[in-house]
Amino acid sequence: AQSVTQPDIHITVSEGASLELRCNYSYGATPYLFWYVQSPGQGLQLLLKYFSGDTLVQGIKGFEAEFKRSQSSFNLRKPSVHWSDAAEYFCAVGRGNDMRFGAGTRLTVKP
Amino acid sequence: EAQVTQNPRYLITVTGKKLTVTCSQNMNHEYMSWYRQDPGLGLRQIYYSMNVEVTDKGDVPEGYKVSRKEKRNFPLILESPSPNQTSLYFCASSLGNEQYFGPGTRLTVT
Repeated sequence: AQSVTQPDIHITVSEGASLELRCNYSYGATPYLFWYVQSPGQGLQLLLKYFSGDTLVQGIKGFEAEFKRSQSSFNLRKPSVHWSDAAEYFCAVGRGNDMRFGAGTRLTVKP
Repeated sequence: EAQVTQNPRYLITVTGKKLTVTCSQNMNHEYMSWYRQDPGLGLRQIYYSMNVEVTDKGDVPEGYKVSRKEKRNFPLILESPSPNQTSLYFCASSLGNEQYFGPGTRLTVT
């Protein structure tokens, strides 16, 4: 069965520090992979997506993610976190109407 | 501006009182869906629609109905809401595999 696991429920980092949010998936076929961000009281905004090709994808707001097929992972990274990055982040995998979301990782940024 | 709109944004109601949450998109997308978001569970799909008059159940359809009479609109109907339907609801539309989300509707059923 298709599933997405975000192992970290809550992460706290200091402003300016690097960030990595983990995402592991189980999917029968080659999946399409997504990261979304949800700021408090807001909807979901697409950060980046991977469909095929280069396994390192660049997104908005300075985020990137790397698809590792052998590890079934699609981890999100940012070299230097800003206070405005505090939000909840969702990994999603799937194709078409078959989309699965992880439970989310809440990011807190310390001054 | 390309967008998905939902109304209302916030709703408090009582058990058993029928309600409808509207969803509209202006991108001429064929595919639309409804999700609910609950703490620790992420987003779970309630219903989806591949096109006008074509709808199907997602992972958690119990207690919900939808209709798709026009391409732009995809309302979510709760015929007899119960407290376990208290949640944050998102509508989304897509063309291909990228989904565009509405701002969400926070529903409280007492």
